[in-house]
Order: sequence, then structure tokens, then C-alpha cells
Amino acid sequence: DGGITQSPKYLFRKEGQNVTLSCEQNLNHDAMYWYRQDPGQGLRLIYYSQIVNDFQKGDIAEGYSVSREKKESFPLTVTSAQKNPTAFYLCASSTRQYWDSGANVLTFGAGSRLTVL
Amino acid sequence: DAKTTQPPSMDCAEGRAANLPCNHSTISGNEYVYWYRQIHSQGPQYIIHGLKNNETNEMASLIITEDRKSSTLILPHATLRDTAVYYCISKEGAGNNRKLIWGLGTSLAVNP
Repeated sequence: DGGITQSPKYLFRKEGQNVTLSCEQNLNHDAMYWYRQDPGQGLRLIYYSQIVNDFQKGDIAEGYSVSREKKESFPLTVTSAQKNPTAFYLCASSTRQYWDSGANVLTFGAGSRLTVL
Repeated sequence: DAKTTQPPSMDCAEGRAANLPCNHSTISGNEYVYWYRQIHSQGPQYIIHGLKNNETNEMASLIITEDRKSSTLILPHATLRDTAVYYCISKEGAGNNRKLIWGLGTSLAVNP
């Protein structure tokens, strides 16, 4: 079955450590996204990528970094510069470009929950 | 701005229709309305989307008012597994600055 796989599902990190969250899709989608979800807030966009070797900052990119070396993969690194990294992280993909005027349906992974100890 | 507003919570009896409202009075004429749902600690799941006409698929129906200022998601026969947070979202902005805006959604509780 086609879909998005995120790993790990749960991750604990000590303050000052970088961690990388994996996101892999086999949907042949061009666009991929990383969102952050906190209690009492809507999903907020961290980074998005329209094609391989290209990515753009979203609304809350500070303290995060990404790469897009393969179409299928869009890993997110939470760096020590991120001041409040404890959150639920969601990866998504879509066939259309993010700003396309047509319908743009997102497919999400199951999420990764990061806790900083 | 295409901000959407939804009631924070709703209840529905199992087997009955669940009607979830959404107000999007400032939506642009060419922007779609999308509905997703999120079961606790899982990723959001796409349900349905629409532009002007009513839409139906195997999961739900979407009724959009003629002036496009509001819409209603209908789950015709709600089950306990439909208990989730339901998000009504749309895009705001122009050109390459267009982006989806996610609110807090409606927490639907389906009761036995």
C-alpha cells in the first residue's frame, strides 16, 4: 500500500542534542511537508519541498533543518537551537505544488512524538 | 484571509447523522474547502474537499452554501470510530505565498 512512513514514533532527547526524524513516501508525490502540532494550537508549517534538492521555510523554521536528496525522503533535523522542541511532528506529501490554485490534498504520516528531557 | 471557524466540540449518538459546521466567510472565490480528521495521536486523514458544488464520497458529504461562506460536513451514520477532531481548512494569501491555515477543529464525540 502507498503511504508515508515516519520514524521513530516516539523519541526522547536530552537538551542540547540534535535529532533527526525520518519521513519516507512511496506515493510518487513531488511535494513534501513538515508540520508541528502542539496542544491548543493548529498545525504549523515548518518546512516544505516542491522538488528534489529544493525546500522552503515555513512559518516556524527556526531551529530546524531539512534535506531533500531523494524524491521519496524528506528528513527533519531538530537542532539544539530549537528552544521548545517537545511536540508532535507530522510529515505530509501531495501531488500538487503547495501554492497551486487547484485542489491540493495532503497525505499525512502517523507522526513522531518528540520529548525533550 | 481564508480563516475558518468551527465549534470546539460536538456530540452525536451512534448511528445518527453528524453535521459539522464550518464558517469561511472570507474565502476567496477559487479556493477549495478541505476537511480532514485526526484521531488521537495519529496523523490527520483526508475526508473530502469542495469548491462550489456539494460533494459526496464513501466517507462523507460536503454541503457548501451558495455564497460559499459556510459549509457542513455530514457523516450519515456516525460510528464510535468516527470520534475524532475534524478540521475544516482552506488556503489564504496570494501567489506563491498561499498557504493552508489549520485551526483547532471540532472535537466530535460519538456516544453509544
